[in-house]
Amino acid sequence: SAVISQKPSRDICQRGTSLTIQCQVDSQVTMMFWYRQQPGQSLTLIATANQGSEATYESGFVIDKFPISRPNLTFSTLTVSNMSPEDSSIYLCSVELADSRETQYFGPGTRLLVL
Amino acid sequence: RKEVEQDPGPFNVPEGATVAFNCTYSNSASQSFFWYRQDCRKEPKLLMSVYSSGNEDGRFTAQLNRASQYISLLIRDSKLSDSATYLCVVNMLGGGNKLTFGTGTQLKVEL
Repeated sequence: SAVISQKPSRDICQRGTSLTIQCQVDSQVTMMFWYRQQPGQSLTLIATANQGSEATYESGFVIDKFPISRPNLTFSTLTVSNMSPEDSSIYLCSVELADSRETQYFGPGTRLLVL
Repeated sequence: RKEVEQDPGPFNVPEGATVAFNCTYSNSASQSFFWYRQDCRKEPKLLMSVYSSGNEDGRFTAQLNRASQYISLLIRDSKLSDSATYLCVVNMLGGGNKLTFGTGTQLKVEL
């Protein structure tokens, strides 16, 4: 496995503002992903973070709302833009390790509350 | 129809009991299958992968039936620490290694 860290671990934000979440991994990874888990629900994939190019977004998620960067193999950011209370959720990054293909490991998550 | 379906539970069982969870998936092109465990207010953690031949890890046994598109998880001699939500997860290769999660089955092991 790997050590995956996310910052911040939690935040309370005002509507209309933006929050950038960081994900850092201590191992070689092949793929990085961002998920959302809304209260009482399971995980939904937002996008695949691609190194040095635009992320690949799932249906229902767009770059203007959730811009993603991945400047190198082990670091990615997700921004939640122009937030509304409906964006209150847990945001998790996950990684696929170079020596453990097809299996994803999750960061501890960022708990976001939008007022 | 949901891509991955699970009984949400909760399953309330006494310590030492055997409990089984089932999961069905809709996409026959699915290639890899997993059970993840998620504790309250924590991230999902990989419990075990599921192989066609079935596989066992201690008290946990996973089975895959491709013909019926059905996955199961059996927990024997359940412990209080097994209380968690168990997520059935399917990976459709060729779709960018995208994981599709079930909504989870909640297990509560009681004294």
